[in-house]
Amino acid sequence: AQKITQTQPGMFVQEKEAVTLDCTYDTSDQSYGLFWYKQPSSGEMIFLIYQGSYDEQNATEGRYSLNFQKARKSANLVISASQLGDSAMYFCAMRERENTDKLIFGTGTRLQVFP
Amino acid sequence: DAGVIQSPRHEVTEMGQEVTLRCKPISGHDYLFWYRQTMMRGLELLIYFNNNVPIDDSGMPEDRFSAKMPNASFSTLKIQPSEPRDSAVYFCASSPDRGIEAFFGQGTRLTVV
Repeated sequence: AQKITQTQPGMFVQEKEAVTLDCTYDTSDQSYGLFWYKQPSSGEMIFLIYQGSYDEQNATEGRYSLNFQKARKSANLVISASQLGDSAMYFCAMRERENTDKLIFGTGTRLQVFP
Repeated sequence: DAGVIQSPRHEVTEMGQEVTLRCKPISGHDYLFWYRQTMMRGLELLIYFNNNVPIDDSGMPEDRFSAKMPNASFSTLKIQPSEPRDSAVYFCASSPDRGIEAFFGQGTRLTVV
């Protein structure tokens, strides 16, 4: 069963606008972490933001924020004021902490920012 | 710290040959992950280690794949014999603790012809 689901294969957004990338997850653990990574065309994997399952506040890192809805098991990434350099693949990932400690990834969303 | 270091960056080999990919994790990181990325299957976790011990290798596709971590500063992923369908980008990542983000190497692009 897919544990991380990203339903948007591709998204377009105009420069300076905000965009939300969707991610839902499935786990029976109470303790887990959720992550977003960016992969530009150059190929490297860049960590963006982290949300712990017990964190009460939504995580924010600069223009990135994570909209964490625990009951819905969703962890959407919000990018505000999009820039051309934000064009990349974005991966949602989860790391369970109880029965296993794997870090597993969704299939990714390709974001294209246009002028 | 130089980050996670993978070598080689690119590898082209003929079908049937043995391929060894190398990874040096960040010093002090207890966890090491090997991933394979393809267009069709995305980022697949192949195996991960904790304190040099393999914890879960359920993602290793076949017996042709093997991974070792002889010490805290070095890991290898070996494919023997290699096949064209093994062509992919292989990433190594390390993390200092459970529940914390993993830091990725630059990846090795493997092409088997």
